[in-house]
Amino acid sequence: DIQVTQSPSFLSASVGDRVTITCRASQGISTYLAWYQQKPGKAPRLLIYAASTLQSGVPSRFSGSGSGTEFTLTISSLQPEDFASYYCQQLNDFPLTFGGGTKVEIK
Amino acid sequence: QVQLVESGGGVVQPGGSLRLSCAASGFTFSNHAMHWVRQAPGQGLEWVAFMRHDGRDRYYGNSVKGRFTISRDNSKKTLYLQMSSLRPEDTAVYFCARSKAVPGWADYWGQGILVAVSS
Repeated sequence: DIQVTQSPSFLSASVGDRVTITCRASQGISTYLAWYQQKPGKAPRLLIYAASTLQSGVPSRFSGSGSGTEFTLTISSLQPEDFASYYCQQLNDFPLTFGGGTKVEIK
Repeated sequence: QVQLVESGGGVVQPGGSLRLSCAASGFTFSNHAMHWVRQAPGQGLEWVAFMRHDGRDRYYGNSVKGRFTISRDNSKKTLYLQMSSLRPEDTAVYFCARSKAVPGWADYWGQGILVAVSS
């Protein structure tokens, strides 16, 4: 099974900060990676798919990059509504696996 | 608009069974693969199961393989998750999600339904 390691697990940042979250896969997964945002009590929301393609309706301050085993999600200028948890997911092979999550909180 | 509505959750004793349903609307259900994903209280997301649009292929997470069965009725636009031999560690909010395209990016999610396994 492909393991996905996400870091950091917790991040404290201020409005306007540039934030980067990393996801590492235990083996190469090409660009079969997605990023999701989840707010408390809500369903996840797809932000990025195919490692770097922005889902329709997602603000352009979100971007994704990487291929193979290392991936990043970047928020260029953190906004109040971005304080949430973020998860990566590999879709290269079954069983599909999520990273452990990154909680982004207000500094 | 796309809507996914889960139902069938509740409290069940260890060893018991439960069937979740996910009613879809606002899109052509038979054209899309579907997922079940769960989240234990205070924990992260765990992928549970996946079924292709025509029902020919289905896949499961290791923790539920042999106990859970995903199925669908395209005529009723409904996805199911039959859960048996339930354990306390199956306690979670269960989400159904639509697959956007191969390989399965989940672009629309239901609101989730709570399953609690407890004696």
